[in-house]
Amino acid sequence: EVQLVESGGGLVQPGGSLRLSCVASGFTFSSSSMNWVRQAPGKGPEWVSGITSGNAAVYADSVKDRFTVSRDNSKNTLFLQMNSLRAEDTAMYHCAKDRLLEVWGQGTMVTVSS
Amino acid sequence: DIAVTQTPLSLSVTPGQPASISCKSSQSLLHSDGKTYLYWYLQKAGQPPQLLIYEVSNRFSGVPDRFSGSGSGTDFTLKISRVEAEDVGLYYCMQSTQPPKAFGQGTSLEIK
Repeated sequence: EVQLVESGGGLVQPGGSLRLSCVASGFTFSSSSMNWVRQAPGKGPEWVSGITSGNAAVYADSVKDRFTVSRDNSKNTLFLQMNSLRAEDTAMYHCAKDRLLEVWGQGTMVTVSS
Repeated sequence: DIAVTQTPLSLSVTPGQPASISCKSSQSLLHSDGKTYLYWYLQKAGQPPQLLIYEVSNRFSGVPDRFSGSGSGTDFTLKISRVEAEDVGLYYCMQSTQPPKAFGQGTSLEIK
C-alpha cells in the first residue's frame, strides 16, 4: 500500500524556521517526483513546491527564496525547509506523489503566530 | 501563471440525479507533448483531496464509473451520472501543464 506520513509541523513565531519531513512507503520513491501542497484553514489547496526524481526543484512564487525542498532517497524521505515564516504560511502541509498528486499524506499542521 | 476557475461554487443534488462541474483555464492546457494535464479531486470532510480523474478523462484506480471527465483546450467538465450520498464534499480541478500547478476555487456538493 502506498503511504505518505508527514511530520515536523508545530507553532513557530513569525520569522522562524521549521523543517517538515515526509516518509514514503509502498512504491519506488527514488523514481517518483514529489510535491508539497498546503491548505490554509477553510481554504482550497495551494501547491507549494515539487522535486523531480532527478532533484530538479520548483517553487510557488509565494515561497520562493524562503522554502527549500530536498529528498533523501536512501531514507525514502522528502523534506521542506521553511525559513522566514509568515502568518500567511499557516496551513496543513501535505506531501503528494507524482505529477498527478495521486496519493496524499494526512498532513502536518504549521501555525505561524506570536 | 495559468489560472483555473470553477463553476458553480456549490451544488445541491438529489440522490440519483446527475451533477456537472465546469473548470475553465486562462490558457490552453494542451502541453507540447500532446497531453492535457487537467485533474479532478474530491476532498471529503477531514481528509486530504483524493484523485478522481487524470489527464481530462481517465478515471483513477478504484473511482466509480459514474464519474467522468471531458473537455479540451481551456474548457473542462466533471460529470457525476447519478449522485450518491458518499459523493458529498469539495471538488477541485487542477492544472499541471505549466508550473506552478494551480487549483480551482472548489465546488461544494451537498445532497438534498
